[in-house]
Amino acid sequence: EVQLLESGGDVVQPGGSLRLSCAASGFSFKNYAMTWVRQAPGKGLEWVSIITGASDNIHYADSVRGRLTISRDNSKSTLYLQMNSLRADDTALYFCAKGASGSRFSTLDGWGRGTLVIVSS
Amino acid sequence: DIVLTQSPDSLAVSLGERATINCKSSQSVLFPSNNKNNLAWYQQKSGQPPKLLISWASARESGVPDRFSGSGSGTDFTLTISNLQAGDVAVYYCQQYSNIPFTFGPGTRVDIK
Repeated sequence: EVQLLESGGDVVQPGGSLRLSCAASGFSFKNYAMTWVRQAPGKGLEWVSIITGASDNIHYADSVRGRLTISRDNSKSTLYLQMNSLRADDTALYFCAKGASGSRFSTLDGWGRGTLVIVSS
Repeated sequence: DIVLTQSPDSLAVSLGERATINCKSSQSVLFPSNNKNNLAWYQQKSGQPPKLLISWASARESGVPDRFSGSGSGTDFTLTISNLQAGDVAVYYCQQYSNIPFTFGPGTRVDIK
């Protein structure tokens, strides 16, 4: 059974930094693309970033490019999201999601429960 | 970026009746390399993460009841929920995975009338 457990969410001041983690189990982590999706309180889903299994393809939404950095450690089956220069509009529940295949161009067939990031002074 | 619009924003349907949700894309999501429509549907119940229902516009995920069906091609897609059950109350999102960034629609809330 696919399990994804996010952690690292917190309350942080504008301009601050945070590192989110997503511990994966139940599948061969290195073989699948992984994605971060966020959801602001009471709002819809926003695609944030994707990384392929070998980290050879990485993409970001325009709203986060240059401030958020996705990475992974396949030896630890863990996905990361380094968040710098945080803004109030980064406040959201951050989900990590498993791609249905190793390709970037696949659906998200497994989701964690999310970790909450609040950017506020 | 591809923009997805969904209609209606919300709908209330009687138990046992049909719910129909539309998703329109600003450009075709037909993926050249496999000639498939890279369009997915997700269900998000209150307080839960999204759940994948349908891939490639019409391929139901394992374990998803056949009351859920997807159709459409190119830029216009539909999710149909037949014989609506109380457990189907949720927000439904379409997502395109044809062009990066892989955008989501704004969501459609389905309630019981």
